[in-house]
Order: sequence, then C-alpha cells, then structure tokens
Amino acid sequence: DAGITQSPRHKVTETGTPVTLRCHQTENHRYMYWYRQDPGHGLRLIHYSYGVKDTDKGEVSDGYSVSRSKTEDFLLTLESATSSQTSVYFCAISGQTSNYEQYFGPGTRLTVT
Amino acid sequence: AQSVAQPEDQVNVAEGNPLTVKCTYSVSGNPYLFWYVQYPNRGLQFLLKYITGDNLVKGSYGFEAEFNKSQTSFHLKKPSALVSDSALYFCAVSARMDSSYKLIFGSGTRLLVRP
Repeated sequence: DAGITQSPRHKVTETGTPVTLRCHQTENHRYMYWYRQDPGHGLRLIHYSYGVKDTDKGEVSDGYSVSRSKTEDFLLTLESATSSQTSVYFCAISGQTSNYEQYFGPGTRLTVT
Repeated sequence: AQSVAQPEDQVNVAEGNPLTVKCTYSVSGNPYLFWYVQYPNRGLQFLLKYITGDNLVKGSYGFEAEFNKSQTSFHLKKPSALVSDSALYFCAVSARMDSSYKLIFGSGTRLLVRP
C-alpha cells in the first residue's frame, strides 16, 4: 500500500462523540485525500490537501474537518459522529493532481452506534 | 455534470474466458481515465490510466483498457480471466473542479470468475 498507513484500522464509537482518523505517508507526496466508501456510491471525496496547512472541501465535507500540520500526516475529524458516518474511510496520496494516479491506504472501518 | 457510470453491478465469467468491465464517462475537456481494483479488506490498487496517445492502454496483471472518444467509454478488458481476478473494480475520471483536479469514481463493478 505504497507507504501509506491509516490508524486506527477499526473503530466503534457512539453517536455524538468526536473521532479522529490519521493518515501517515512516507512518500513525501504533496497531495493527500480523504474518501469514504459506501455500497452503491463508490468512493466520495471528503476533503483534500495540496500542501501543509492547505486544505479544501470535497463532495461530502459536512460534519468533517481536516488538518495537515506536516507533509506526512493528514488528520480527519468527525466533530460529532452520527450513524450516517458509519463507513470505510480511505486516505490517498499523489505527487500531482491532473493526470497522476492516486495511491490508497488500507482503510479504516468506522462504526457509529 | 461530470460523472462516471459503471452500468453493471456484477460481471460473471468463466476462468480462461475473456472479460470486459464497462465504463462510460462525462467530463468537459480531455479526459484522464483510470482503473483501480479492490480486493477484500484492502485499499484500492492502481491498474492503468489513459492520458493521451494510443487508445489501447496496457496495465498491471494482464489488464488493458480501450479508450473510445466517440462513445465516451473506457472499458477494462483481459483476454483470459483468472479466478484470482475476482475483485471489485472502479473506473475513475480526473475532472477539473475549482482550482484543482479531483477523481470522480464510478460505483464499482464486482467481477466474479468461476473455476
């Protein structure tokens, strides 16, 4: 999985609690992304980063925030988890955007009860 | 609207037979197209991409894809399927949104290769 780790790999949490997922890369790539994967929807972009402290919203950003204080780390925070945020979350990295492939981490399975 | 469609939720094929997984796209400008594969409990793995040039693109594990501009399609193919090819396949297009490019994914097609 191309020098990308995600932690935790599995998490169960209760509705209303904050949750932070971590993505760590050793490739020194500029761009980092957070996606969620749900049956029938493929992958949908939550937030992305194009450099340290430079982030922007994706397609399904409501209820999520991100931070990137170092090139290698990209954090995704669910401010107050809801059952609709039960999903599998993937981090991805790329050296460029337009025509460069993204490389994906192993995923975090999050269950909100 | 920019989008990717994978019209088949599942494709079934016998081992040794050719396989095709279909993908059509809608994007403004020149398309950058990708195929990814996902094995159970794993992240997505890059298979191949089309940027420009030859319409037939070769990728990993014997897969290839044919770009057809007039039909706005990018179908994934393999001449002889293996049981180990059974997995979830995603087509994606890189689309310019705001000030950068983002990947738009299809909903995925599950490939089942029977022995």
